[in-house]
Amino acid sequence: NAGVTQTPKFQVLKTGQSMTLQCAQDMNHEYMSWYRQDPGMGLRLIHYSVGAGITDQGEVPNGYNVSRSTTEDFPLRLLSAAPSQTSVYFCASSLGRGLDEQYFGPGTRLTVT
Amino acid sequence: GDSVTQMEGPVTLSEEAFLTINCTYTATGYPSLFWYVQYPGEGLQLLLKATKADDKGSNKGFEATYRKETTSFHLEKGSVQVSDSAVYFCALSNNAGNMLTFGGGTRLMVKP
Repeated sequence: NAGVTQTPKFQVLKTGQSMTLQCAQDMNHEYMSWYRQDPGMGLRLIHYSVGAGITDQGEVPNGYNVSRSTTEDFPLRLLSAAPSQTSVYFCASSLGRGLDEQYFGPGTRLTVT
Repeated sequence: GDSVTQMEGPVTLSEEAFLTINCTYTATGYPSLFWYVQYPGEGLQLLLKATKADDKGSNKGFEATYRKETTSFHLEKGSVQVSDSAVYFCALSNNAGNMLTFGGGTRLMVKP
């Protein structure tokens, strides 16, 4: 199993550009989520999905869109990048909610200039 | 809302020293509590968890006890190694189980 994979590893965008961060898992997990990690602030939940076709907002959803057309994939879209979105982004998956261990991808480091 | 507070780092210790990283939380109901570890350049990995009051989670020599009376979940290890150098995150899962709330993370540096 590859686990949770994310692409790209690094990305530099100009303000106003759009892009999609890719996330895939091969563990047949129902639950997937996106976090951003900023210094001293831990990880904050952006969006999550409890299964294909179902998504919901987390703590900091503004400026981001998600969709879940398959169990395996959960892309994160930035429609118009802003410097405030400079961060490290982690995708995670788990078998279910709550008590289940979340498996994290290696992260994408995004810089918006 | 829910929140998790961790001691600020970095924490610098010599090999074989005793480690404590403090974690306190604010939450409604009865959350589950977790410690995750992040090694350099990697994503987070679950280190241990506890799901109810007085439970003790343990793994790789680390342990933490869910203390509801003090709303704490402090991480301890009796003898740290250089390989334990990492960032440690305390987290809680809300009652609905659809969201993890993380503390700010504590960087541990262990010197030989």
